[in-house]
Amino acid sequence: QQPVQSPQAVILREGEDAVINCSSSKALYSVHWYRQKHGEAPVFLMILLKGGEQKGHEKISASFNEKKQQSSLYLTASQLSYSGTYFCGTEFLNAGGTSYGKLTFGQGTILTVHP
Amino acid sequence: DSGVTQTPKHLITATGQRVTLRCSPRSGDLSVYWYQQSLDQGLQFLIQYYNGEERAKGNILERFSAQQFPDLHSELNLSSLELGDSALYFCASTLKPGRKNYGYTFGSGTRLTVV
Repeated sequence: QQPVQSPQAVILREGEDAVINCSSSKALYSVHWYRQKHGEAPVFLMILLKGGEQKGHEKISASFNEKKQQSSLYLTASQLSYSGTYFCGTEFLNAGGTSYGKLTFGQGTILTVHP
Repeated sequence: DSGVTQTPKHLITATGQRVTLRCSPRSGDLSVYWYQQSLDQGLQFLIQYYNGEERAKGNILERFSAQQFPDLHSELNLSSLELGDSALYFCASTLKPGRKNYGYTFGSGTRLTVV
């Protein structure tokens, strides 16, 4: 049930754009996105809820396609500070239609931005 | 400072030993999650507590146990340690899981090295 992220790694020059995808084989309730720099804790970027609620962060935005059970993270005009590993975390509803908020994380996408 | 405090930051111990990792969630957060991150690996869910009760369990080994205390801090106990238990252990907290979910706030982690 671990979501699949693609690509595994991206190398960019400053100012270039990137898209990171997160796919689930199971119906999603929400998708979270986090960025982790080497040796540090993951930092929350945004959450996308079923029903289309969306938030943005700086020049980073995301979409949630309920039909495809897929989320995409868009990084525009990348900056050196965007370098790190990006994780999506997926939340599912249990049989009772509720959630305890547990996230299952993808394997991560390593983003490297060069000057 | 994210508001989630984990101690100790580093721990080096021998195989067969037992250690306790401690986590104090962000003020007001009721839910605590424990994740294991091995070298260059993703975040593997171990266990979740909400307001003192266990809510979800991942692929947590029988040698591992956890609890959340009335003051909401949590402890993760790892016993009969093996070399393969060496990893970064993260604690994360969030206000209240459910339909209006919030992002996780991660602590800085405890780096466990088993020698």
